Formats: sequence, C-alpha cells, structure tokens
Amino acid sequence: AQSVTQLGSHVSVSEGALVLLRCNYSSSVPPYLFWYVQYPNQGLQLLLKYTSAATLVKGINGFEAEFKKSETSFHLTKPSAHMSDAAEYFCAVSSNSGYSTLTFGKGTMLLVSP
Amino acid sequence: ETGVTQTPRHLVMGMTNKKSLKCEQHLGHNAMYWYKQSAKKPLELMFVYNFKEQTENNSVPSRFSPECPNSSHLFLHLHTLQPEDSALYLCASSQDPGQGAGYGYTFGSGTRLTVV
Repeated sequence: AQSVTQLGSHVSVSEGALVLLRCNYSSSVPPYLFWYVQYPNQGLQLLLKYTSAATLVKGINGFEAEFKKSETSFHLTKPSAHMSDAAEYFCAVSSNSGYSTLTFGKGTMLLVSP
Repeated sequence: ETGVTQTPRHLVMGMTNKKSLKCEQHLGHNAMYWYKQSAKKPLELMFVYNFKEQTENNSVPSRFSPECPNSSHLFLHLHTLQPEDSALYLCASSQDPGQGAGYGYTFGSGTRLTVV
C-alpha cells in the first residue's frame, strides 16, 4: 500500500520569496514520486518526477524537489516565487515495479501576493 | 493534435438525463483512467483501463458506466446522477501500469459537470 501526505492545504508567500511545499510518502516498495500543478479549470500538469536516478530532481518553471529516503519526503521548492506560480500542487506516489497506479495527496494551494 | 483531449469542457444535466463524457489520447499510451475531483476532497480514481481491459473499478456507483473501445478512446456514460456527483472529471493516460508508473500520467483539461 502507498500513501501521500501533503502538509498544509494552503501556503502563502510573497512574490520573490522561497516556495516550500511539503510532501511525505509511505510505500512498502521503492517509490516513484511526482509533483503535478493544476491551474484553475485545467487538468494536472507534470512538474517533475523522481524515478530512482538523481535524488535532486529539477523540473519546469524553476521548481525542484529532493528525495530523502531517511525522511520519506519529497518536498518541492522554488527559490523565488512568481505571481504565475499561484496554483494547486499535488504530490503523488507509485511503486517502481509491477502493476501500479498513482496515489495523489490532497493538494496544496499556493497563494502568491505582490 | 497531441495530448489528451476531453469533451465537453462543461456539462449541465438534470438528474434524469443521460449523457456521455469523451476522452481521446494521441500519445500511443496503453492505459487510460477516469478521476473525479470534488471541492475539498482528494482526487478519486474511478476506473482504470489497460490495453482496453478494465483493471480497476474503485467501488463506483453503477450510474457511472465506462467504455473503452480502443486504447485511444475512453468514455464515461452518465445516467440518473445525483447533485453530489457534480465535480471535475479528469481523464488521464499512461504507459502500461504493469511496469510500474515511472512515466507518470498525462491529464486532459477535464469536464466540469453540474447536476441540477
């Protein structure tokens, strides 16, 4: 079984500030991990993914995430927030072998103020 | 046309109506998914089709009836829905989930369904 916990349903930052969105996972086998972004009335768009290569993963729009096995975490960061980053962000986990589907967290809404 | 396309984008239907949602993918993927996204609730996986065969049905009420005629098309037939079924319905596709899900999913833009 696998699960994802995203800490904080809403995160507020000022434009130019560091963005940190937290994700902790639970998986009985080595995981694949993903971050998706959803803009209003749109589907989910893949930001980045960890598939057991480098533990620091760089994605689109300046985002990156670090896989920490000891902490079972995969937090998403961006050094400087832009207004256009305001959206909902979802962390997801799957197993790296056998039949597996993605399990999503509840999402974190990122609010960016001028 | 590339990616995953869902039609219609918006749908308003009465509780006694019958309607269908359509999803089409042009990515050469083998698997397709229906998700339900309601306000303040996590994404709910409804159905999974792999190589046209249904591999998951997560206790979805029978008023939702999926159909997958081929690996590129997925439908969700709706009948006698309830107001609580109002939500954003998302379709996604991926490579074969039998090999893990390392490629992730590609999502469509969704159909916003309102049941009145």
